[in-house]
Amino acid sequence: RKEVEQDPGPFNVPEGATVAFNCTYSNSASQSFFWYRQDCRKEPKLLMSVYSSGNEDGRFTAQLNRASQYISLLIRDSKLSDSATYLCVVNGAGGSYIPTFGRGTSLIVHP
Amino acid sequence: EPEVTQTPSHQVTQMGQEVILRCVPISNHLYFYWYRQILGQKVEFLVSFYNNEISEKSEIFDDRFSVERPDGSNFTLKIRSTKLEDSAMYFCASSDRLAGENEQFFGPGTRLTVL
Repeated sequence: RKEVEQDPGPFNVPEGATVAFNCTYSNSASQSFFWYRQDCRKEPKLLMSVYSSGNEDGRFTAQLNRASQYISLLIRDSKLSDSATYLCVVNGAGGSYIPTFGRGTSLIVHP
Repeated sequence: EPEVTQTPSHQVTQMGQEVILRCVPISNHLYFYWYRQILGQKVEFLVSFYNNEISEKSEIFDDRFSVERPDGSNFTLKIRSTKLEDSAMYFCASSDRLAGENEQFFGPGTRLTVL
């Protein structure tokens, strides 16, 4: 079983839509969780840390479900500029304190 | 806004040669990392570095790889005896805390092409 799994997509949505991504992780001892955004041929940039209580930043909401071992990212009122690949990052997924990236979920927002 | 810089942006080398990829982390950061991303694949952790020594390394970081912080500002990744499969984008990152506690800031990457 892969340590961090994401649906690669692409998710193709119109502007203004709400879209949600999930990411599952295999190691129940994983300690911290993040969503990064990566534009084509660019470096990853932190979008949000994911806390046990869930957290919201404007149109973005991240949640953690430890019992089912997944994290989620909800994007409301999608903008064209949200088009990117969203990377799930889990620390401790491999049993050590090493960040493990998912392959990413591609989002395409169209007019 | 402070940023991580990397040079060169693109490095082409012949198989078997040595390459050095350079990074200048954000100045007050203490933790430094190298990652690679093969085209179309996920970002993979290579190594973390703190207090002038390697903290963690992955299976990818074999004895052909080494890191160094030679002068307090640069952070370098050296790959000896390069292989075709080393071709990838290499990202440097830095943070002011351990990877699990705080944001990592990534540089723009060096695209390594091994011919």
